[in-house]
Amino acid sequence: GNSVTQMEGPVTLSEEAFLTINCTYTATGYPSLFWYVQYPGEGLQLLLKATKADDKGSNKGFEATYRKETTSFHLEKGSVQVSDSAVYFCALTGAGNKLTFGGGTRVLVKP
Amino acid sequence: NAGVTQTPKFQVLKTGQSMTLQCAQDMNHNSMYWYRQDPGMGLRLIYYSASEGTTDKGEVPNGYNVSRLNKREFSLRLESAAPSQTSVYFCASSPGGQGTDTQYFGPGTRLTVL
Repeated sequence: GNSVTQMEGPVTLSEEAFLTINCTYTATGYPSLFWYVQYPGEGLQLLLKATKADDKGSNKGFEATYRKETTSFHLEKGSVQVSDSAVYFCALTGAGNKLTFGGGTRVLVKP
Repeated sequence: NAGVTQTPKFQVLKTGQSMTLQCAQDMNHNSMYWYRQDPGMGLRLIYYSASEGTTDKGEVPNGYNVSRLNKREFSLRLESAAPSQTSVYFCASSPGGQGTDTQYFGPGTRLTVL
């Protein structure tokens, strides 16, 4: 079946540091790939997505590229802010638009 | 436009009690989902409804039942709660059954079973 593996946290950074969160997946066919973010006390919201190989999703300074050859969808941001402190989830869709999530990576940005 | 709403926000149950978690969306979406979130495990799909009048099991359906009451509402019922069902429950909706669709999540219900 489908699965998503992402690096465990927590990841602690200083403000303006570079952030990378690794995500790799196993899936049949050609899934769509997503990054969702969960701010403290809230539900998940879409951060970015890519629907086919070599697509780059971007939003709020975050980027991720759909790499089919390495089955990866790593999330990057060049300069993080305190407000980026959250839990980040990598996910993919299989049959029937059912999402399969990674375990989540908690990011803490210190001023 | 409230998006996806869930009630209650918090609930404490004793083992063996029953309860229903309510979810409603006002985006005219066809598909709705129930997930549970446990530490280190991400979110796991309990049940989903691809369209009004249909429901299907997800990854972890045991101990739960669902009802798609109409296009807007999708409820999750625990008939006899167990401590293993202590979790945070999220409802989500999406426009349809396409793999490219974004899912929109509610704020969650934090359930504790003693």
